[in-house]
Amino acid sequence: SQQGEEDPQALSIQEGENATMNCSYKTSINNLQWYRQNSGRGLVHLILIRSNEREKHSGRLRVTLDTSKKSSSLLITASRAADTASYFCATGDTGRRALTFGSGTRLQVQP
Amino acid sequence: DADVTQTPRNRITKTGKRIMLECSQTKGHDRMYWYRQDPGLGLRLIYYSFDVKDINKGEISDGYSVSRQAQAKFSLSLESAIPNQTALYFCATRAGQGQFGELFFGEGSRLTVL
Repeated sequence: SQQGEEDPQALSIQEGENATMNCSYKTSINNLQWYRQNSGRGLVHLILIRSNEREKHSGRLRVTLDTSKKSSSLLITASRAADTASYFCATGDTGRRALTFGSGTRLQVQP
Repeated sequence: DADVTQTPRNRITKTGKRIMLECSQTKGHDRMYWYRQDPGLGLRLIYYSFDVKDINKGEISDGYSVSRQAQAKFSLSLESAIPNQTALYFCATRAGQGQFGELFFGEGSRLTVL
């Protein structure tokens, strides 16, 4: 079963705009990660946020985590055409020994 | 060279055939995983291994088996392939110790079962 569910499923924006993707999950977690996948390629890790953190930044990426709402958001600022990809959240919890992935958000950045 | 290498990258086979997907890594990680990706369903865990003697089923292990031949090698087998096993398969690795840490993925093996 899917632990994380991303919203929206697809997002189309213009270059320079910000893109926000949301992830909701069901059980208690100890960390949440975001991954990027270019079409048909392997996933690449973007950022990890621990359950005791509320916000984390990495370059143009900003991730927030609200454990009370069991949700996270990924913000990509000043988007570029090269940001076009699918983005997945993945959760880790103490009861499981592997990450559980959501269904992903497909981001299209129009040049 | 890629840190996590999957072979074959693409394979077309027929129903009932035995298929092996291979994964090797040069990262020195103890933990290795096989995930399956279907359109709109994200990634689902098939099997995972924390060392050569530790093999665990994931959420969708039926119809699959694995072999951890060495720390660096983790193979996924479909004993008798069926069309609904058509998917993109990913191998991933992670450094051991603790519950945190990122996964490193291979480029995927696209399997089509006719």
